Amino acid sequence: SYELTQPTSVSVSPGQTATITCSGDRLGDKYVSWYQQKPGQSPVLVISQDSKRPSGIPERFSGSNSGNTATLTISGTQAMDEADYYCQAWEFSTALFGGGTKLTVL
Amino acid sequence: QLQLQESGPGLMKPSETLSLTCSVSGGSIGDYYWSWIRQPPGKGLEWIGYIYYSGTTNYNPSLRRRITISLDTPKNQFSLTLNSVTAADTAVYYCARGPVSIVPATTGWFDAWGQGTLVTVSA
Repeated sequence: SYELTQPTSVSVSPGQTATITCSGDRLGDKYVSWYQQKPGQSPVLVISQDSKRPSGIPERFSGSNSGNTATLTISGTQAMDEADYYCQAWEFSTALFGGGTKLTVL
Repeated sequence: QLQLQESGPGLMKPSETLSLTCSVSGGSIGDYYWSWIRQPPGKGLEWIGYIYYSGTTNYNPSLRRRITISLDTPKNQFSLTLNSVTAADTAVYYCARGPVSIVPATTGWFDAWGQGTLVTVSA
């Protein structure tokens, strides 16, 4: 079965660039979305269609998708960006989520 | 502003049937897809299924035999029924708008989520 693989954790210093990857077979042929989830809160869409930012999402969030890897990039990471991040795509008619990446800002 | 609110039992016994309702306010349930997504404690997200405002449904194959998603358009609500629950069904259950996309639906994203409701299955 199709799987989306994310690193369990990523650490970044404030002000630096955080990169979170999501891997899957020929993932570049699919649209990938990204969600941010802070402790005790619901997920929030931060990127859709590989690279589109919804209204209200800061410009420091960007996305790309090519080959077997989609990437969420957070430029100038702030303490408020510390959260779990999930990638999401579709395989046939089933929505799939990656296992999630815990972003630590320290 | 669109708001979604889940309601249902917090505690259940194994083999019982789970029923959850999502009330949508600040927008019409029409012309969109609506999904249920769950998250076991400390774990990741699992999509359960969606319903289109026309009544068309699509379910996760891993749960298909046990679930039904239905729509109550006059009440602006949609519901999830999950049969024969076990401890493995313990999770926070979210309702969400989506998949949202141009076409087809199965390329889309989930752009609004409820706050989630914890369902615990325990004897």
